[in-house]
Amino acid sequence: GAVVSQHPSRVICKSGTSVKIECRSLDFQATTMFWYRQFPKQSLMLMATSNEGSKATYEQGVEKDKFLINHASLTLSTLTVTSAHPEDSSFYICSARDARGVRGDTQYFGPGTRLTVL
Amino acid sequence: AQTVTQSQPEMSVQEAETVTLSCTYDTSESDYYLFWYKQPPSRQMILVIRQEAYKQQNATENRFSVNFQKAAKSFSLKISDSQLGDAAMYFCAYSTGTASKLTFGTGTRLQVTL
Repeated sequence: GAVVSQHPSRVICKSGTSVKIECRSLDFQATTMFWYRQFPKQSLMLMATSNEGSKATYEQGVEKDKFLINHASLTLSTLTVTSAHPEDSSFYICSARDARGVRGDTQYFGPGTRLTVL
Repeated sequence: AQTVTQSQPEMSVQEAETVTLSCTYDTSESDYYLFWYKQPPSRQMILVIRQEAYKQQNATENRFSVNFQKAAKSFSLKISDSQLGDAAMYFCAYSTGTASKLTFGTGTRLQVTL
């Protein structure tokens, strides 16, 4: 149980294009989803928190106009990196939590998406 | 603000031996949750074990157990009978509950040798 998928697993794009990453909870309803960024050999950095049906809450220093987050349903959240540049190249990870569930405090993670911007 | 500290950047253990990874945290809350996540080379974050702060009993999941010392704000992970598949980055994390985000430590890279 508690499986989270992420698509695509890898994406290479040209500078200036937009990239959309999907995060799905497969066997539970995710009232809250989180988006993280991870640089090589570093810990996870939280970018934003999204609750189903409401606007995402962004961490300090994260540009909300650049990283668009949509959490339109209880099983799907998307992160769109708009006008991507080489400095946006990174490993992006989503996680999901069912706040109403028995393990409502526990986040389950997707497998991550490696974004390379040329 | 809550902080999580993992003071061991790297650890090494021989196969079948036992290893303990350290984690300390700082919080003024009385009710919270602690987690250990494993990130193997695939980079998939896998929940290893969780502990609710109000429970005095240490959590155990098969070969994984924790030593939770609330007064000392310490939450170490013990891996018994280490296996090659245990080689990974291990992150300690803290949360105040269902409304809260996770705060991660910097991670400990565990090597398992033959």
